[in-house]
Parts: sequence; C-alpha cells; structure tokens
Amino acid sequence: DQQVKQNSPSLSVQEGRISILNCDYTNSMFDYFLWYKKYPAEGPTFLISISSIKDKNEDGRFTVFLNKSAKHLSLHIVPSQPGDSAVYFCAARRRHFYSNYQLIWGAGTKLIIKP
Amino acid sequence: DVKVTQSSRYLVKRTGEKVFLECVQDMDHENMFWYRQDPGLGLRLIYFSYDVKMKEKGDIPEGYSVSREKKERFSLILESASTNQTSMYLCASSSPGFKGTDTQYFGPGTRLTVL
Repeated sequence: DQQVKQNSPSLSVQEGRISILNCDYTNSMFDYFLWYKKYPAEGPTFLISISSIKDKNEDGRFTVFLNKSAKHLSLHIVPSQPGDSAVYFCAARRRHFYSNYQLIWGAGTKLIIKP
Repeated sequence: DVKVTQSSRYLVKRTGEKVFLECVQDMDHENMFWYRQDPGLGLRLIYFSYDVKMKEKGDIPEGYSVSREKKERFSLILESASTNQTSMYLCASSSPGFKGTDTQYFGPGTRLTVL
C-alpha cells in the first residue's frame, strides 16, 4: 500500500521553462512533506519542505504547493536549469512515537532538463 | 559540513554469504536509518535506531538485522544474502524534535549485487 505516490516516472522540460513535479498521498496524519533531490551515485539531499498547516513554501527557484483537500503536493522549479536534472523524491512525515518520526517515500520522478 | 559515510560503494557477494554494511555519521545525530532503493519503489525503510543499542523494524526488515553499539555507527547485516537483496542500500541520520522536519542526511549508498 503506497501511501505516497509519484505517478510520473520521468519528466522532460526545456531549460528556462517551469518544471512541475507532482505527489499524491493517502494518509491524513502526515504533518510535514519534504522534497529530496538525488544525483546518480550520490545519496538524496534535502531540497525544501512544507508543513501540513501551510499551502505554500518558497525558497529561491523552488516552490512547494500543498492542497490538503486533494491530498496533493507539487514542486515548481522556475526557471529550470541543467543542474536540476536529477531524481526528485517526495516524502511525508508521520510520528512514530514520542518525538520521533518516520519518512514515507514516493518512487521518485526523474527530471531531465533539455538545453 | 555534515557527513555520512558508507563502507563500500560497490559490493558483490554470493548467495548465502553473510554481508555487513557499515555506516558512520559525524553529526552526533541520535537517529540513524537503513533504506533500500529499487527502481519504481522509491526508498523503503529496513530498520532504524533512535539511540545506541536501540533498534526498530521498518517496513521491510525480513532477512536483515542491525547493530548500533556506538552513537555514530549503524551496521546493516544480511545474515544469508539472497539474490532478491540485490539493491542500492542507503544510510541516513537525523536529529529528532517536534519542530523542524527532522531532515535526514544520506550517505552515498552501497550498490550490492548478490550472485
């Protein structure tokens, strides 16, 4: 049972245009959502996050939007650059016990920025 | 600069062998995690640890065990490797807390092939 879904395995975008990566979730108990970026032969690195009580968070070229009623979030990258080519993972946080949490991960979307 | 290191980048083992994957973090983090990453499945949590000598099963613990004798080191053990354990193994660490997002920091991964 995949609680976090990224339905697009890959996405190709022209350099300079907007990249939109999507993520859907099923569990209403998630309290934070995170995006990680992964280059080949490297571990994932944290990119941006959003609290479940917000609907938008912006950091430079990266903006994450959360639609709680639709259980949907998206990552917008504007403008897209060649260095953005990577696999992007969506992750959702749920409490395990006390102050500890687990991340539930999507399958990832491979973003290819075309020159 | 935060750092998570994994003992091997590539490993080839035979079916039935005992396999040790080592992970060391230098950030004094309480939490450490072992994931495996497979195409189309994203990151799946095998085991995690919230303190020295403590361990919790993740979503796919079967066939694996872990050891955390020191705060900075978390080992993943495949008691008898099987071909279906061929995968990319990622170690991560984080610091717990109600606030923030418990950002996880990842090592570069170990690509394990079981023949």
